[in-house]
Parts: sequence; structure tokens; C-alpha cells
Amino acid sequence: DAKTTQPNSMESNEEEPVHLPCNHSTISGTDYIHWYRQLPSQGPEYVIHGLTSNVNNRMASLAIAEDRKSSTLILHRATLRDAAVYYCILYYGQNFVFGPGTRLSVLP
Amino acid sequence: DTGVSQDPRHKITKRGQNVTFRCDPISEHNRLYWYRQTLGQGPEFLTYFQNEAQLEKSRLLSDRFSAERPKGSFSTLEIQRTEQGDSAMYLCASSLYRDGYTFGSGTRLTVV
Repeated sequence: DAKTTQPNSMESNEEEPVHLPCNHSTISGTDYIHWYRQLPSQGPEYVIHGLTSNVNNRMASLAIAEDRKSSTLILHRATLRDAAVYYCILYYGQNFVFGPGTRLSVLP
Repeated sequence: DTGVSQDPRHKITKRGQNVTFRCDPISEHNRLYWYRQTLGQGPEFLTYFQNEAQLEKSRLLSDRFSAERPKGSFSTLEIQRTEQGDSAMYLCASSLYRDGYTFGSGTRLTVV
């Protein structure tokens, strides 16, 4: 079973920041937090991942709570191309277990 | 490298027929995964290989399903005696050991 909890859907206006939350209260010390997104009719694509510290890359930022029981994916300026299903996944080296994710709608 | 390739992109088959899908992973990746995704759901794990060894199979992988990865390169997923419930997107991904996954675009199967 998926070990993460995410809202089913969220909306954002174009050009505004988006904060996508994920709860993972049963996370273990060896679990990495991965975020993937899936655009319509495509396979999931990597967004970002982290273990304990906040992470930044060209796509997004990942803010991890101090107790690691939750994290937030931050899209700094949402564009229409960011409309997708976003998955938060705990990964310890076996296989990814996907939940239903958060469907992000971006309004022009 | 052009990423993970899956063939065909779409497959329509009649119930009871056998189908086979192919996945070509990123060449230096040693792990290869198969997932199934139905509409509105996240991908569900089916099986994975490390090199040519099939290391884990989900209980979703019934006896009608078989996957191979000869010589640790490309992989095939075969479904025998297809049923309407097999209609789904079949996704392949590859990784280098425990690194993140790179997914292909999937094969959409429709069983009529």
C-alpha cells in the first residue's frame, strides 16, 4: 500500500507559486522522498527527491519537515504545462509504490 | 540515449488473444520495472528485473502474465488469453540500481 497521503486535487493560477503537500507519517530513516509527475498520455517523469534536507533543482523545490513526516513540493511559478498528476513516493530501493497522487489544474 | 522506449504505443486485441509488449531501457540501467495503470489510478507495480534476474513479482501478475529480460537488455511482457480487465496502460521504467526511475510512454492495451 502507498505510504503517503496527498490531496486529490489542487488548483493554481498561472504564474503563481504552488505548494503541493504530502504526509508520510510512517516514514523510516532510510526512505527517500521522491516526487514524480505524469502529464496526460505520458509515463511519470522525475521531478525531485530528497532525504532530510531541502532540495532545489530547475523544476522545483522540495521542503522536508524536520521530523520528516511531511514534505511539500514547491513549483515557484506555475505554467499551463505544469498541469499534471503529482505523486509523492517513499523509496528505499525496492520498487516505487504509487498512490493516486494530486491532480494539479493550472488556470490561465 | 533516447530514454526508455516501449512498443507498440497502442494495441487493440480481441478477448482470448495473446499479446506481447517490448521495452528497451536506457542502456546503462541495470534495473527494469513493469507497471500497470488504469484510468484515474496511480501506476501499480507488476515486476522488476535486475540484469536478467526477475527479483520480484506482484500478486497482480497472474499466471497469464509472463515477463522476460534475456541477457539483461530489453524486456518483454506477455499476456496470454487476454480479458477485458487487462485493458490498461502498461508502463516500463528503468534505473541504475536504487537511483530514480525513467519511465517510457507506455503501451495502451484495449481488449474488446
